[in-house]
Amino acid sequence: AQKVTQAQTEISVVEKEDVTLDCVYETRDTTYYLFWYKQPPSGELVFLIRRNSFDEQNEISGRYSWNFQKSTSSFNFTITASQVVDSAVYFCALSEWGGSEKLVFGKGTKLTVNP
Amino acid sequence: GAGVSQSPRYKVAKRGQDVALRCDPISGHVSLFWYQQALGQGPEFLTYFQNEAQLDKSGLPSDRFFAERPEGSVSTLKIQRTQQEDSAVYLCASSLPTSGGQMYNEQFFGPGTRLTVL
Repeated sequence: AQKVTQAQTEISVVEKEDVTLDCVYETRDTTYYLFWYKQPPSGELVFLIRRNSFDEQNEISGRYSWNFQKSTSSFNFTITASQVVDSAVYFCALSEWGGSEKLVFGKGTKLTVNP
Repeated sequence: GAGVSQSPRYKVAKRGQDVALRCDPISGHVSLFWYQQALGQGPEFLTYFQNEAQLDKSGLPSDRFFAERPEGSVSTLKIQRTQQEDSAVYLCASSLPTSGGQMYNEQFFGPGTRLTVL
């Protein structure tokens, strides 16, 4: 069975601080995809990043970076130099290959960036 | 429009009423998904279409929930005899088909329909 756990319910930081959002996943498949989505107060889910299970290379994209470690089934997401506009709920999601391409989401982490 | 659109944005129903929620996917997107998001929770999968074929409806919580996409474009999620536990935001997402060596494409989400059942 697929499962995504985001242990951090809420995080509050001051602008310009770095913040890491944790994600741990469970799957029996060897081929799968991991995603991070952002849901601002307006409610619309916005795609941020995608990673497949074959590529553990960690990358940086602007102020975003992610750390994918299969050994610990973790897919953590870091925002560098946070800004007030980063305030949102962030969801980690998993999709297994060979199924319906459905996304299994965690419960989300609410990030508040204070000025 | 350029994105996924959903209507209505808000719906209030009395318990026992039937409701119909509409989703217009991005043009050319073959795959269409419905998710249910309860307050303070992550979205939960309801059903998936590829063109007009409903390939997975394992997430529909009861036989009161029904979805269709007759012409492979617009989709409707219908809930019969609504109950208070149906109150949630219903999200629609669409994506391009997987092709070649590239597997999953990201899903693009609409703004959702907030359903309140009194």
